[in-house]
Amino acid sequence: DGGITQSPKYLFRKEGQNVTLSCEQNLNHDAMYWYRQDPGQGLRLIYYSQIVNDFQKGDIAEGYSVSREKKESFPLTVTSAQKNPTAFYLCASSMTVYETQYFGPGTRLLVL
Amino acid sequence: KQEVTQIPAALSVPEGENLVLNCSFTDSAIYNLQWFRQDPGKGLTSLLLIQSSQREQTSGRLNASLDKSSGRSTLYIAASQPGDSATYLCAVALNSNYQLIWGAGTKLIIKP
Repeated sequence: DGGITQSPKYLFRKEGQNVTLSCEQNLNHDAMYWYRQDPGQGLRLIYYSQIVNDFQKGDIAEGYSVSREKKESFPLTVTSAQKNPTAFYLCASSMTVYETQYFGPGTRLLVL
Repeated sequence: KQEVTQIPAALSVPEGENLVLNCSFTDSAIYNLQWFRQDPGKGLTSLLLIQSSQREQTSGRLNASLDKSSGRSTLYIAASQPGDSATYLCAVALNSNYQLIWGAGTKLIIKP
C-alpha cells in the first residue's frame, strides 16, 4: 500500500517538553512538507524539503525543527520554544514542488 | 502578499442540488490552483488541479474553473450526495517558489 503515514494520531505535550511527530512516505517522492492547521484558518507551512539533506523554513518555522536524513522520512520536532503548539499537524509529499501534494492523516497535538 | 479567501465558511443544502463553492485570490501570478477535500479529523485529498494556462478541469460530478484576471475559481458539484459532506479547501501555488497559499475552507453539509 503506497501512501503517507503519520504517528502518533494524538500527542500530549507537557510544559517545557520537546516532542517529535513522525512522517513516513513510500511514494518515492522527493518533496515533503509540514503544515499546521488551526480552526477557522487555512493551512500554514512550517517547513518543507525539496530533496534529502535539504530543507527550508516556511511561514511559521519558529519553535519547530526538522531533519531529512532519508528520502522517505521527515520528522518534525515541536520544541519548548513553541508557546502555542496545540493544533492539527499535517505532513504531505509530492514528486516535485511543481506537482500535487498527497497528505497523511494528521497528528493532533495537545498541551497538558 | 497573496491571500486566498473562501466564502461562505459553511453551506448546507438538500441532497440532489447542484452547488458552487467559491475561492478568490489577490495576486493573479499563480502557477496553479488546487481544490482539496478534508473529512473531519482527517488529512486532505486532492480533487482537481488547474494549471495557470487552463480554464477548467473536470472529474466525475466535479468541475473547477479558473479566471486569473478576476482572481476567482469555482468548484461546481453536480447532484450532491450526503457523502459529499466535508470541508473543501482551495490553494494557489505561487510562481516564485511553488508554495501553496491556502483558503480557510468551506464546510459543506448535504442533508438527506
